[in-house]
Amino acid sequence: EADIYQTPRYLVIGTGKKITLECSQTMGHDKMYWYQQDPGMELHLIHYSYGVNSTEKGDLSSESTVSRIRTEHFPLTLESARPSHTSQYLCASSEIGGASQTQYFGPGTRLLVL
Amino acid sequence: DAKTTQPPSMDCAEGRAANLPCNHSTISGNEYVYWYRQIHSQGPQYIIHGLKNNETNEMASLIITEDRKSSTLILPHATLRDTAVYYCIVRVAYSGGGADGLTFGKGTHLIIQP
Repeated sequence: EADIYQTPRYLVIGTGKKITLECSQTMGHDKMYWYQQDPGMELHLIHYSYGVNSTEKGDLSSESTVSRIRTEHFPLTLESARPSHTSQYLCASSEIGGASQTQYFGPGTRLLVL
Repeated sequence: DAKTTQPPSMDCAEGRAANLPCNHSTISGNEYVYWYRQIHSQGPQYIIHGLKNNETNEMASLIITEDRKSSTLILPHATLRDTAVYYCIVRVAYSGGGADGLTFGKGTHLIIQP
């Protein structure tokens, strides 16, 4: 089992609230990712990071922001949640370098914005 | 990354071996074959990957044909908990640069029958 954790697992919140989705990994991986996935649909990369103080936007534009102050921690923040942000958010991590770089996923956070 | 083709669904009896095929006829020499699965509402779970040789771990075996144009994932003794969507993807080995987000496609919905 991958040692990557996400909290909360489920979140129901009202429009306009600020939320932070937590992600942490104990594998010492430098690279971390945030994906967004709607039910039955494809994964979309929204943010990634090479390491501490590195953050990059992914393929899908997102109003969320991320930070990477510690190697093991990669939180995602929505300053003002809207119903369009309702989705599942998946965090992943991988090593950098080497012949192959497997991405390991957390259990996900299901967000419902009312 | 090369495109893959998988059957949309398969059934397997509990306790039997589940053999999931994947075609990747345009695979390049430096591309790996990865398998992930996603159980409903959970984050994707890494299963196994390989380049040329057959691979085995505690979850599954991966058989890659000599020409590397197809592969088979084998779950040796399927249980009800193996019911999930299984994704075969082909990826180059990234050196850590860029938005190397995973793209899963439709996958195979494996249903284990009691």
